[in-house]
Amino acid sequence: EADIYQTPRYLVIGTGKKITLECSQTMGHDKMYWYQQDPGMELHLIHYSYGVNSTEKGDLSSESTVSRIRTEHFPLTLESARPSHTSQYLCASSEGRGGIQYFGAGTRLSVL
Amino acid sequence: GESVGLHLPTLSVQEGDNSIINCAYSNSASDYFIWYKQESGKGPQFIIDIRSNMDKRQGQRVTVLLNKTVKHLSLQIAATQPGDSAVYFCAENILSSGNTGKLIFGQGTTLQVKP
Repeated sequence: EADIYQTPRYLVIGTGKKITLECSQTMGHDKMYWYQQDPGMELHLIHYSYGVNSTEKGDLSSESTVSRIRTEHFPLTLESARPSHTSQYLCASSEGRGGIQYFGAGTRLSVL
Repeated sequence: GESVGLHLPTLSVQEGDNSIINCAYSNSASDYFIWYKQESGKGPQFIIDIRSNMDKRQGQRVTVLLNKTVKHLSLQIAATQPGDSAVYFCAENILSSGNTGKLIFGQGTTLQVKP
């Protein structure tokens, strides 16, 4: 059972608001990831981190930003939300040379 | 290019039958593959993985087959149950590349189990 937590689970906000999606893991994993997923569709990597103070952009361009100040915490921020940001955001973590990623339950974001 | 895809978007099976979900990948350098199950409202959950030095691996009621010649892998679920209803994703990685840990996901197959 993976110990990775995302909050909030659901978020409905208006255009222009700043939001932060939280992700925490208690497994001590060095690598963490953020994916964007439309319902039933494939996962697109938007950010990843190899460790503290390390962040990289993923394969899908995103207006969001991330930070990794602590090993266990990898928040994602949108400075000004737009309807095009409406999607599900999944956080994951893995250890070592790679392989299995463990996922949180996701945050379903709706921007009106 | 790098892409992982599944042949069928939806698979409908009778409860108790065996299910076979297929996935094709295009990067011949990929050496590690994972199957995930995603239930409605949840994040993907690890099912089983396989490295490229193997062609078959079995778990509890699941078997993954890898055919490197045609760049194809499949997930077989024995005696499919209603709780198996979900979207199934294959993902690939290149562990030998010095590794970022990044996975490339396919498009997913929705498995519907009819009672």
